[in-house]
Amino acid sequence: GAGVSQTPSNKVTEKGKYVELRCDPISGHTALYWYRQSLGQGPEFLIYFQGTGAADDSGLPNDRFFAVRPEGSVSTLKIQRTERGDSAVYLCASSSPGGPYNEQFFGPGTRLTVL
Amino acid sequence: AQTVTQSQPEMSVQEAETVTLSCTYDTSESDYYLFWYKQPPSRQMILVIRQEAYKQQNATENRFSVNFQKAAKSFSLKISDSQLGDAAMYFCACSKANAGGTSYGKLTFGQGTILTVHP
Repeated sequence: GAGVSQTPSNKVTEKGKYVELRCDPISGHTALYWYRQSLGQGPEFLIYFQGTGAADDSGLPNDRFFAVRPEGSVSTLKIQRTERGDSAVYLCASSSPGGPYNEQFFGPGTRLTVL
Repeated sequence: AQTVTQSQPEMSVQEAETVTLSCTYDTSESDYYLFWYKQPPSRQMILVIRQEAYKQQNATENRFSVNFQKAAKSFSLKISDSQLGDAAMYFCACSKANAGGTSYGKLTFGQGTILTVHP
């Protein structure tokens, strides 16, 4: 079956603009995660959804960042008033917590560049 | 809270040789999982191997094995018979375990080690 997909693969925007990044998880996966990976660094956790609700949003850096998953499938990460420091690769992962290990499957990421 | 440290920014190995990547971690959890992920230039993270902290036996997956030293909080990855396709960035990661014993899911990653494989 299809893996996790993310769109767009690359996004260039100007400082102060609003952006939306989309994640399509593996069909049937109830858990969905967003991570941010700055250049040369490991991914940092942003938020975790179980179904439609955010089970853990402790990694969101500030109130400019918001994520939704209204129907428990596709998720959108929204960034308001973008800053140059928001430039990074945004990774999405999904998992099926009912499985033995709750293994996360990652998408290819969206590279966001804020000019 | 958890922290993961990879002290080797870059490593290299000759094809068919063996290489070991280092990782140390710190966690206040009594039960947790440790992982090694591979990230090729395509950016897609791929799980290489996992270790459940309560299991003393080191995990192995074909050419990949770990040396898990719980008391020292060390979790190194050994790649045997290295292949050109092993070249990538490798990340060590940790997650706490749920009450049911599965991974909570939220991963804490190290800074990564770039592995180069020479033909």
